[in-house]
Amino acid sequence: AQKITQTQPGMFVQEKEAVTLDCTYDTSDPSYGLFWYKQPSSGEMIFLIYQGSYDQQNATEGRYSLNFQKARKSANLVISASQLGDSAMYFCAMREAHTGGFKTIFGAGTRLFVKA
Amino acid sequence: KAGVTQTPRYLIKTRGQQVTLSCSPISGHRSVSWYQQTPGQGLQFLFEYFSETQRNKGNFPGRFSGRQFSNSRSEMNVSTLELGDSALYLCASSLPGREGGYTFGSGTRLTVV
Repeated sequence: AQKITQTQPGMFVQEKEAVTLDCTYDTSDPSYGLFWYKQPSSGEMIFLIYQGSYDQQNATEGRYSLNFQKARKSANLVISASQLGDSAMYFCAMREAHTGGFKTIFGAGTRLFVKA
Repeated sequence: KAGVTQTPRYLIKTRGQQVTLSCSPISGHRSVSWYQQTPGQGLQFLFEYFSETQRNKGNFPGRFSGRQFSNSRSEMNVSTLELGDSALYLCASSLPGREGGYTFGSGTRLTVV
């Protein structure tokens, strides 16, 4: 069965420093997609970055990069040069085929606090 | 292009009532999914619709139902509301496939009293 684990309920980082948010997943499907989303206090979920299970290189989107270690089934998000606006909840998610369609499950989330 | 639109933004209902939430996806997105978000349970998958067909359903009781129209707009209905149904209900649309990242709406905050 699908499973996403985010073991860090909360993280603190100093402004302008880098931070890594952990995510591990479990699936028996060789084909899947991994995503990170950001949810500010306003509540809207924002897509950040995508990594396909067959992608050879780690995904990057601006200050966001995904450290994909397939053998370890981990997909950690790295935010470089943290900004105060990065303070939010961050969710790791996995999408795979399921009964004729696709299903995405989310981890419990990590709340990131950026300190000035 | 317009984002995912959810209406209404806020709802207060009484136990036992029913409620209908609406979601209009991004133009061209035929896949619509619904999630319930609560502090205790996090994001829980409700349904996925594609071309008016429900393709997947989460582990929710039959009081939770949904549908999708030919223009890809979707509605979800909750009957016989319970206090525990109080939550943020998020709709997300996507392109099909494993690489289909979600675009979420702003959500409907439902409070059951």
